[in-house]
Amino acid sequence: GAGVSQSPSNKVTEKGKDVELRCDPISGHTALYWYRQSLGQGLEFLIYFQGNSAPDKSGLPSDRFSAERTGGSVSTLTIQRTQQEDSAVYLCASSLVWGGGTEAFFGQGTRLTVV
Amino acid sequence: EDKVVQSPLSLVVHEGDTVTLNCSYEVTNFRSLLWYKQEKKAPTFLFMLTSSGIEKKSGRLSSILDKKELFSILNITATQTGDSAVYLCAALKGGGADGLTFGKGTHLIIQP
Repeated sequence: GAGVSQSPSNKVTEKGKDVELRCDPISGHTALYWYRQSLGQGLEFLIYFQGNSAPDKSGLPSDRFSAERTGGSVSTLTIQRTQQEDSAVYLCASSLVWGGGTEAFFGQGTRLTVV
Repeated sequence: EDKVVQSPLSLVVHEGDTVTLNCSYEVTNFRSLLWYKQEKKAPTFLFMLTSSGIEKKSGRLSSILDKKELFSILNITATQTGDSAVYLCAALKGGGADGLTFGKGTHLIIQP
């Protein structure tokens, strides 16, 4: 597709269940980011992938959060044993090469609601 | 700790007014400052500013960066109701690490 694609667009899950959020970056983009936006908060950095390098996981809020990127393309963000405070919009962004002065393109996000 | 502070947090003006949104930053290894417009869920890119004192313009929007005083402003002239959105400012670090540090945004409401 032409843009960054995220799925599902909305997800309601019960507390304690695991969820997987998917991001398809723009073809050819080597850098991929996950962000979280909670109600009334700014965008919170979660994790960053650049090519085949080890990801920067410094923003992950707890060990219940993990992410992988297969084949340098599609990425999955997994939240285990979800808590109500995990409710947020999860945004994925990609760019050609991060730090190279290129803009990041955002997906439409996944709205996660933990009940 | 890196931080980006935007002001005001919210702003209500009438259609046709001119608004100025502020963004200050304290970021190690600063490279560029980016402005985004966020409607609904996903931010859309507006400007990337790397050099100090050079204004970037796109229609009724313009922005400038001051790397000495560590701030940027986003101006919108002749505002329209379609300009209503959250405007996000983000600092990009050099070296390809850490990504963007975002401010909390300015919620702009344009009343007809």
